Amino acid sequence: RKEVEQDPGPFNVPEGATVAFNCTYSNSASQSFFWYRQDCRKEPKLLMSVYSSGNEDGRFTAQLNRASQYISLLIRDSKLSDSATYLCVVSTSGSARQLTFGSGTQLTVLP
Amino acid sequence: DAGVTQSPTHLIKTRGQQVTLRCSPKSGHDTVSWYQQALGQGPQFIFQYYEEEERQRGNFPDRFSGHQFPNYSSELNVNALLLGDSALYLCASSLGGAGNTEAFFGQGTRLTVV
Repeated sequence: RKEVEQDPGPFNVPEGATVAFNCTYSNSASQSFFWYRQDCRKEPKLLMSVYSSGNEDGRFTAQLNRASQYISLLIRDSKLSDSATYLCVVSTSGSARQLTFGSGTQLTVLP
Repeated sequence: DAGVTQSPTHLIKTRGQQVTLRCSPKSGHDTVSWYQQALGQGPQFIFQYYEEEERQRGNFPDRFSGHQFPNYSSELNVNALLLGDSALYLCASSLGGAGNTEAFFGQGTRLTVV
């Protein structure tokens, strides 16, 4: 079983749609949680950290359920520029920052 | 302010050869981590260097080795290349002190083994 599992998609949605991505992790010792975005043939970039209370950054909302070991990302009012692969990432340690990535969910926003 | 830079950007090697990839961390960062990303997969952690020592290692064979220099730059060496080593190799830099700091990735080196 993979440590971080995501639905690979692809998700094809029209502009303006709301789309949700889900992720589960297996290591209950995981301490930090993130969503990264990766454009085609580019490096991953941090989209947002995920906190237990849930957090929002503009059109993006992230939720964490530690009991269920479940992370989600909601994108509202999708833009063409949101087309990318979204990577769910967890880390078990603070200073030695080993990031464990899911395989990613591919999103294409259609005009 | 330069971000994380990696060289070369692309590389083609033959099975059995050895390769060295290079990484310069973001200004002010002292920790370098290396990841391997196969096509269609998320990055997988290879190892992390801090204070010129390997601090943590993922599930990769000894053919994968590294080094960190006093200026915090780093090299990843892979010996006896296999076809399965073909991947995008990503370097990420961060601050090594206690607490969580964001990891910044370089653009990667795309290695093809033929």
